Amino acid sequence: GAGVSQSPRYKVAKRGQDVALRCDPISGHVSLFWYQQALGQGPEFLTYFQNEAQLDKSGLPSDRFFAERPEGSVSTLKIQRTQQEDSAVYLCASSLAGPLSNQPQHFGDGTRLSIL
Amino acid sequence: QQPVQSPQAVILREGEDAVINCSSSKALYSVHWYRQKHGEAPVFLMILLKGGEQKGHEKISASFNEKKQQSSLYLTASQLSYSGTYFCGTPQSSNYKLTFGKGTLLTVNP
Repeated sequence: GAGVSQSPRYKVAKRGQDVALRCDPISGHVSLFWYQQALGQGPEFLTYFQNEAQLDKSGLPSDRFFAERPEGSVSTLKIQRTQQEDSAVYLCASSLAGPLSNQPQHFGDGTRLSIL
Repeated sequence: QQPVQSPQAVILREGEDAVINCSSSKALYSVHWYRQKHGEAPVFLMILLKGGEQKGHEKISASFNEKKQQSSLYLTASQLSYSGTYFCGTPQSSNYKLTFGKGTLLTVNP
């Protein structure tokens, strides 16, 4: 596809339920990032993949958050036993090359998660 | 360390100019600029690299002052399409992990 695709665009879940958010990066992009964006704030880093390897998960808020990218393309962010504070927009981004700070990141439209 | 953006918000009439600043308390290796419209993806605008290079694709310019640890984004002859929230992102070291500022909301009115 032309850009980063995320699904679903909106997700409403009851507190305690598990959710899974999907990201299809731009074809051929090596790097994949997940960010969490609260209302009125900038994106906050969650985790980073280089191909299928998760090289950095330092931003994941708790062990309820889990991300994978098993074949080095599509990635899934899973949140178990959701809490109200998990409500946010979850953004996925990809970039062409490896872990360099001079590469632009291309973002998807995000998944807006609301926990009731 | 989160970069600090200023101003928090600015309102322009079409055709006017604006400057958005991004400053950091730590040494900057590069500064990334993005624009996000409500409910949409942040869109890449430009990267300012240490040493003065810039990589971007829009008719928007920027500067990077390493000594002051600051970058400024210049929007000249603003258009309605420039409206949105502008974020700067800075890597914590020379690697990939970007820390974004809180954003500057730019509104361009006819």
